[in-house]
Amino acid sequence: QSALTQPRSVSGSPGQSITISCAGTSSDVGGYNFVSWYQQHPDKAPKVMIYDVNKRPSGVPDRFSGSKSGNTASLTISGLQAEDEADYYCCSYAGSSWVFGGGTKLTVL
Amino acid sequence: QVQLVESGGGVVQPGGSLRLSCAASGFIFRTYGMHWVRQAPDKGLEWVAVIWYDGSNKYYADSVKGRFTISRDNSKNTLYLQMNSLRVEDTAVYYCARETSSGYVFDYWGQGTLVTVSS
Repeated sequence: QSALTQPRSVSGSPGQSITISCAGTSSDVGGYNFVSWYQQHPDKAPKVMIYDVNKRPSGVPDRFSGSKSGNTASLTISGLQAEDEADYYCCSYAGSSWVFGGGTKLTVL
Repeated sequence: QVQLVESGGGVVQPGGSLRLSCAASGFIFRTYGMHWVRQAPDKGLEWVAVIWYDGSNKYYADSVKGRFTISRDNSKNTLYLQMNSLRVEDTAVYYCARETSSGYVFDYWGQGTLVTVSS
């Protein structure tokens, strides 16, 4: 149950696109199509932005997209907006358990 | 609307015990799997435990196995986490979260309750 590996921080200017990677193993990310991404603003509860690798819950802008290749998943945010500045966590099902990434702080310059 | 409200957090000494509760409303509680997820101060999220909709199966993170027990009372729409043999490293905000009906993702979260383990 080792944490998934994410970059500690990423940044981008308004309107630009950024991608956050999430590296796991064949026992989690690579073994299941059950990767989800959560956005967390300071002192708030997490909010799901992507689930099942690339599905968006209703209400989440289509600027948010997800993908997976092998043992690595990715979250892409296009057309960055100021309100996207937050912490982002990936999460994968790992067979009767779940594992989160360490989190990535997104700064909108 | 779906609501999850945690309670029971507080300050406890190392080796002590605490029971957290999560009161659910706005959905048919007995049909959903439920989880506890925690977040240490200025740290990332850590999955803690899951209980199936009917309580028939429970799974735990290695870090809490043998010390924490997840349970639920579907007649009271309430989820619990009994925490024993608490350690300083268990200090965190504890969130309860609902797993979607299709599984594997947490669609609703509570606001969290803070547990501080300190002498």
